[in-house]
Amino acid sequence: GENVEQHPSTLSVQEGDSAVIKCTYSDSASNYFPWYKQELGKRPQLIIDIRSNVGEKKDQRIAVTLNKTAKHFSLHITETQPEDSAVYFCAALGGRGGGNKLTFGTGTQLKVEL
Amino acid sequence: NAGVTQTPKFQVLKTGQSMTLQCAQDMNHEYMSWYRQDPGMGLRLIHYSVGAGITDQGEVPNGYNVSRSTTEDFPLRLLSAAPSQTSVYFCASSYAGVAYEQYFGPGTRLTVT
Repeated sequence: GENVEQHPSTLSVQEGDSAVIKCTYSDSASNYFPWYKQELGKRPQLIIDIRSNVGEKKDQRIAVTLNKTAKHFSLHITETQPEDSAVYFCAALGGRGGGNKLTFGTGTQLKVEL
Repeated sequence: NAGVTQTPKFQVLKTGQSMTLQCAQDMNHEYMSWYRQDPGMGLRLIHYSVGAGITDQGEVPNGYNVSRSTTEDFPLRLLSAAPSQTSVYFCASSYAGVAYEQYFGPGTRLTVT
């Protein structure tokens, strides 16, 4: 099945700096890559996603890039704010034999310091 | 719309007991799924359904059963609870028959002693 690795596990940045979280996936047939944000004690919430026919997608301060050849995708947060502090999860959907199963990375704890 | 709802919010079980975690959505979503979340392990798929009457196994299905008799409801049954099933359980749904843009419920925190 699909395997998703996520790095780093913790990330601390100063307010206003940029943050980058990287994920790799194992199955080249995977075709959908969402990112979820989870605040402490809350449910995961989708913040951005990208499909395999697109290389980059941006939504205000958040962007995701996808490199299908290298099988990795990244989340970029610019001008970080304290409210960006949370755990972020990447995920990959599809692939051979797992067409409707979403596989998650292990998460990145982002802390934005004042 | 209430979105995705889950009951109960908290539950304590003794080893060997059985129970059902409830999940419901009022968005007419076809795809529904159950995940468990353990520290340092992300979210792992237990079972999923692409529509009423159709269910399939995820990554960690052992010890759990599901059924999907209606579009709205997708209960998760623990047959004989074990301490290894102590976790936070999330239900999620999405509009199509695939796991795009999933909406998560608030979660159920289960402790098995």
